[in-house]
Amino acid sequence: SQQGEEDPQALSIQEGENATMNCSYKTSINNLQWYRQNSGRGLVHLILIRSNEREKHSGRLRVTLDTSKKSSSLLITASRAADTASYFCATAALNTGFQKLVFGTGTRLLVSP
Amino acid sequence: EAQVTQNPRYLITVTGKKLTVTCSQNMNHEYMSWYRQDPGLGLRQIYYSMNVEVTDKGDVPEGYKVSRKEKRNFPLILESPSPNQTSLYFCASSQQGRSPLHFGNGTRLTVT
Repeated sequence: SQQGEEDPQALSIQEGENATMNCSYKTSINNLQWYRQNSGRGLVHLILIRSNEREKHSGRLRVTLDTSKKSSSLLITASRAADTASYFCATAALNTGFQKLVFGTGTRLLVSP
Repeated sequence: EAQVTQNPRYLITVTGKKLTVTCSQNMNHEYMSWYRQDPGLGLRQIYYSMNVEVTDKGDVPEGYKVSRKEKRNFPLILESPSPNQTSLYFCASSQQGRSPLHFGNGTRLTVT
């Protein structure tokens, strides 16, 4: 069952602009994670936010979590061409735990120089 | 270097010919998992393992087998591959608990 759904499916911006991606999910969660994937390669973990947290920062990344709306957003500030990748949210549901981390379908980000 | 290693990177095979995709991690992680990635469907979990000799089904286990005889290895076995198993496969591992997943670089499988 698909838990997370990202929006938009694709996003095209210029270097220096901010990129915002959204993720919606369906059930109560333990935590929500964001991953990045470069063109067919393995996913790389970016940031984890727990259900009792509302916002988290890591470098140019800012993640928010709204458990009442079952949604999260990933903001990448001052984007660079190297940020071009697909971004996935993944949720660990309360009833299944971390062992069944469920991924969304991803947002493809293209950052043009 | 901490890593998850999958082999082979690319594999083309024919329907019905048994194959194994290997996965090995050097981080002493208890938890390992297999995912397949298909366009428009994201990553879907096939099987996972909480520790040696402990495995369980994910969302799409049909047509796959796994084993966990050693902590570091978690091979994915396709006893009789079919064309609908053509996909990009990822192995991942993490420490037991709440830590993030570490992914391998993937195996692109084509079944003709």
